Amino acid sequence: NAGVTQTPKFQVLKTGQSMTLQCAQDMNHEYMSWYRQDPGMGLRLIHYSVGAGITDQGEVPNGYNVSRSTTEDFPLRLLSAAPSQTSVYFCASSYAAGGTSYNEQFFGPGTRLTVL
Amino acid sequence: EDKVVQSPLSLVVHEGDTVTLNCSYEVTNFRSLLWYKQEKKAPTFLFMLTSSGIEKKSGRLSSILDKKELFSILNITATQTGDSAIYLCAGNQAAGNKLTFGGGTRVLVKP
Repeated sequence: NAGVTQTPKFQVLKTGQSMTLQCAQDMNHEYMSWYRQDPGMGLRLIHYSVGAGITDQGEVPNGYNVSRSTTEDFPLRLLSAAPSQTSVYFCASSYAAGGTSYNEQFFGPGTRLTVL
Repeated sequence: EDKVVQSPLSLVVHEGDTVTLNCSYEVTNFRSLLWYKQEKKAPTFLFMLTSSGIEKKSGRLSSILDKKELFSILNITATQTGDSAIYLCAGNQAAGNKLTFGGGTRVLVKP
């Protein structure tokens, strides 16, 4: 299993450009999520999905769009990049939580994005 | 709004020392508290705590949760240079797998 993969590893954008960060997992996990990590702020949830066709907003969704057309893929789109979106982006996946259980989230290697 | 606060922000110790990391939380419909270790790349899972007062151990690492006072501690004994990392704690809500992370504690272990 490749686990959770993310592409690209690094990206530099100019203000106003758009792009898509790719995330894929081969573990048949229902739950997928996107986080951004800024210095001293831990990870903040951007969007998440509990299954194909179902997405919801996290803590910091503005400026980002997601879709989940397949179980495996969960791309994150930046519509019009801004310098405030300079960050490291992590994708994570897990089996869906049910009842009182929490299922460990597996993180991808991250994408370092710089917006000039 | 859910909030998780970690202290200290950073610390420097020497090999063999013991470190204690703190995590306080305010999470709606709290279910569990998780600890992650982050070296150069993605966070890796250490512990999940759901019950008060029950210590979880893995080698030189241990952690405990106090659900009354809303905090957790992570202890690392006999530290080694390989323990140098950022340690993150996160609160999990009862609904879904959403996590609220603290800002992390950066630990540097010197030889």
